Amino acid sequence: SQTIHQWPATLVQPVGSPLSLECTVEGTSNPNLYWYRQAAGRGLQLLFYSVGIGQISSEVPQNLSASRPQDRQFILSSKKLLLSDSGFYLCAWSVLRETQYFGPGTRLLVL
Amino acid sequence: GESVGLHLPTLSVQEGDNSIINCAYSNSASDYFIWYKQESGKGPQFIIDIRSNMDKRQGQRVTVLLNKTVKHLSLQIAATQPGDSAVYFCAERTGANSKLTFGKGITLSVRP
Repeated sequence: SQTIHQWPATLVQPVGSPLSLECTVEGTSNPNLYWYRQAAGRGLQLLFYSVGIGQISSEVPQNLSASRPQDRQFILSSKKLLLSDSGFYLCAWSVLRETQYFGPGTRLLVL
Repeated sequence: GESVGLHLPTLSVQEGDNSIINCAYSNSASDYFIWYKQESGKGPQFIIDIRSNMDKRQGQRVTVLLNKTVKHLSLQIAATQPGDSAVYFCAERTGANSKLTFGKGITLSVRP
């Protein structure tokens, strides 16, 4: 069966510090991968998605970036965090255009 | 996009009653719809999906209804239990890519 992992689970970072969140998927090949952000009490905002290694589409202009160095690995990064980057970050995967399955999320607090 | 400052609407039901959670979707060309359940501090969990060539689909204790005429999607939960308390999101897929558009979410609160 397929599983999706995210780490860390929780992160507290100072403003201006770098960020690296990691997502890995097991049990499937060549998945579509997604990064979402969810502010407290809000819906899901798609940040990036990838249909293959090295292929990244950005949905929202911001100081975040994403990379996919391996088929089942998706990384969300920032060189300098802003207060507004605080939120709940969710990674998801899908096969082709089918259902997206979400990871457990990373809660990021920027102080 | 989201409206700033809105709180998620809440549906409060008595334990054992049936719940109906409604969602209005935006694009008449959407061909696939999903309901997710999100418990506090966790990622959204897939509940049930439906394609646009269907108007009803049943799962275990859940039923999804699709009315394409009025672009309306609903999730019915039978015999609601305390464990059903969560935020519920509908999502629609439009076009040739795999991106989903999510609704704002509805909080279901189950009274004992």
